[in-house]
Amino acid sequence: EADIYQTPRYLVIGTGKKITLECSQTMGHDKMYWYQQDPGMELHLIHYSYGVNSTEKGDLSSESTVSRIRTEHFPLTLESARPSHTSQYLCASSEYTTGSNSPLHFGNGTRLTVT
Amino acid sequence: SQKIEQNSEALNIQEGKTATLTCNYTNYSPAYLQWYRQDPGRGPVFLLLIRENEKEKRKERLKVTFDTTLKQSLFHITASQPADSATYLCALYNFNKFYFGSGTKLNVKP
Repeated sequence: EADIYQTPRYLVIGTGKKITLECSQTMGHDKMYWYQQDPGMELHLIHYSYGVNSTEKGDLSSESTVSRIRTEHFPLTLESARPSHTSQYLCASSEYTTGSNSPLHFGNGTRLTVT
Repeated sequence: SQKIEQNSEALNIQEGKTATLTCNYTNYSPAYLQWYRQDPGRGPVFLLLIRENEKEKRKERLKVTFDTTLKQSLFHITASQPADSATYLCALYNFNKFYFGSGTKLNVKP
């Protein structure tokens, strides 16, 4: 089913550590996104990409960074994790069509806990 | 400010009944509206898309309406089943981005 993969599924890490959340998709989609979601809350867009070498910040301020060196890969990095970064991180992709009415395909997320 | 509102209270219904979920929005002029299903610990899964010039869209037991005057979409599940229990999210596409509501949890009791 899922053609978009996120690793790890769960991560517990201490304050100050550098972490990278991995996201890969096999659908050849140009557009990729990172969303942050807390329990019972809406998804907040933190980063997106239109294609290779394209990255943009979303509406929610985030201390994370992303890169898009290959179409299928969109990793998210936190240089120094803090307890306020504890959340679920969801990666998604979509086709890049005119008007962009194509749906988002989500991975199953990474649940990050920073102690 | 822009806002998408979905009923934060869980909707509890009996199996076989029709579930109706509401999505209201302010300060958007979306070209499209989408509905997603999210199960615990999983990412959202796309269900239906409706365009601004469409009043209604159907897919099997699902029906979505879109009223751009009222700035509202209704999502219906007919003949609901316990397997339909999940959180349902609406999403608006505006200025190259998708914006999500916080979702409504649906509980279908056998």
